[in-house]
Amino acid sequence: AQSVTQLDSQVPVFEEAPVELRCNYSSSVSVYLFWYVQYPNQGLQLLLKYLSGSTLVKGINGFEAEFNKSQTSFHLRKPSVHISDTAEYFCAVTPNRDDKIIFGKGTRLHILP
Amino acid sequence: DVKVTQSSRYLVKRTGEKVFLECVQDMDHENMFWYRQDPGLGLRLIYFSYDVKMKEKGDIPEGYSVSREKKERFSLILESASTNQTSMYLCASSQSGILDTEAFFGQGTRLTVV
Repeated sequence: AQSVTQLDSQVPVFEEAPVELRCNYSSSVSVYLFWYVQYPNQGLQLLLKYLSGSTLVKGINGFEAEFNKSQTSFHLRKPSVHISDTAEYFCAVTPNRDDKIIFGKGTRLHILP
Repeated sequence: DVKVTQSSRYLVKRTGEKVFLECVQDMDHENMFWYRQDPGLGLRLIYFSYDVKMKEKGDIPEGYSVSREKKERFSLILESASTNQTSMYLCASSQSGILDTEAFFGQGTRLTVV
């Protein structure tokens, strides 16, 4: 069975500081990896995805994530956050040959002025 | 523009009522999903449909059923609403057979059962 672990439920960070949101997954098959963002009172939207190839993936709004197969991790990073990045971030996997999407429990990013 | 539309943003229902949550997508996607979102628990899959009239249970199907009579519409049914079903419900759709496709989400329905 596949699972996704987001290690931090909440991350406070000062505006213009860097941030890393951690995600680890477990799977017996190869997977595709995603980060979604949910702004207040909205549905989820795709931030970035890893399918294959380069392990560093760039997404929207200056976010990037690095796939590390040996550590089964897919951490999300941004070098300088803005107040508009206040949101909840979800890591997700789609197991190979299966259309189901498995989500982590989410990390709430709080931007401090 | 891609769109997943949930019929209500907010609903208040009484315990024991039969509740229908409707979701429509305009992207001709095969896959549709219903998730429940609760603080600290993330998104939990209730049901998944990969084709018309086809469905599969997710992680928490108890107390729920679904209907997919047309490709674009996926309904979640609470047969007899209970207070522990108070939650945010999110519908999503994706294209089948293309595993790198993203899921598209509706705005969510916040259901309160009193």
